[in-house]
Amino acid sequence: GESVGLHLPTLSVQEGDNSIINCAYSNSASDYFIWYKQESGKGPQFIIDIRSNMDKRQGQRVTVLLNKTVKHLSLQIAATQPGDSAVYFCAENSGNSGYSTLTFGKGTMLLVSP
Amino acid sequence: EPEVTQTPSHQVTQMGQEVILRCVPISNHLYFYWYRQILGQKVEFLVSFYNNEISEKSEIFDDQFSVERPDGSNFTLKIRSTKLEDSAMYFCASSNEGSQPQHFGDGTRLSIL
Repeated sequence: GESVGLHLPTLSVQEGDNSIINCAYSNSASDYFIWYKQESGKGPQFIIDIRSNMDKRQGQRVTVLLNKTVKHLSLQIAATQPGDSAVYFCAENSGNSGYSTLTFGKGTMLLVSP
Repeated sequence: EPEVTQTPSHQVTQMGQEVILRCVPISNHLYFYWYRQILGQKVEFLVSFYNNEISEKSEIFDDQFSVERPDGSNFTLKIRSTKLEDSAMYFCASSNEGSQPQHFGDGTRLSIL
């Protein structure tokens, strides 16, 4: 079946560095993508989303890039802080009925050292 | 900021027993979802619910599972006869529209003995 996957299971950075977390997706019909942050003992927390008619979207300290040609999604975090340490999941909308049924990737753990 | 709340935070149940997990979605949301996450694995979709009926369900969501919105605020997931492999974190989510980001609760850890 089609799936969403991540290239790097663990990313270690220094505080203040920029972080880039990557995600490959295989469902070319997906039209909506989301990045979630999951801290230990918590549920996935929405960070940023992007629709397939865009290739870039910016939020506060975060940018999501979408490359539909190679089916690649990335999350850039500027000036990474220790509080950014968490597991980051990309997810795609794989619903058949127009409802948002999310297929999650396996996650990348981001470790930020002070 | 409004949030999705789930109770209990941890549920321990004997195999074969029924369990009900409870969720209070964000108040103005109309779309509701259940996901699960087995320890160390990715989050998996179980079911979506809109207008008092299931709109989509995954292969995991078999006849042992059911969902209900018994009143205007609660959304429940019932597992009729639990199995060891049902042990996982169960997350409830809600969204304002079908294509808007889903907001998740902090989950219920279900442990089947």
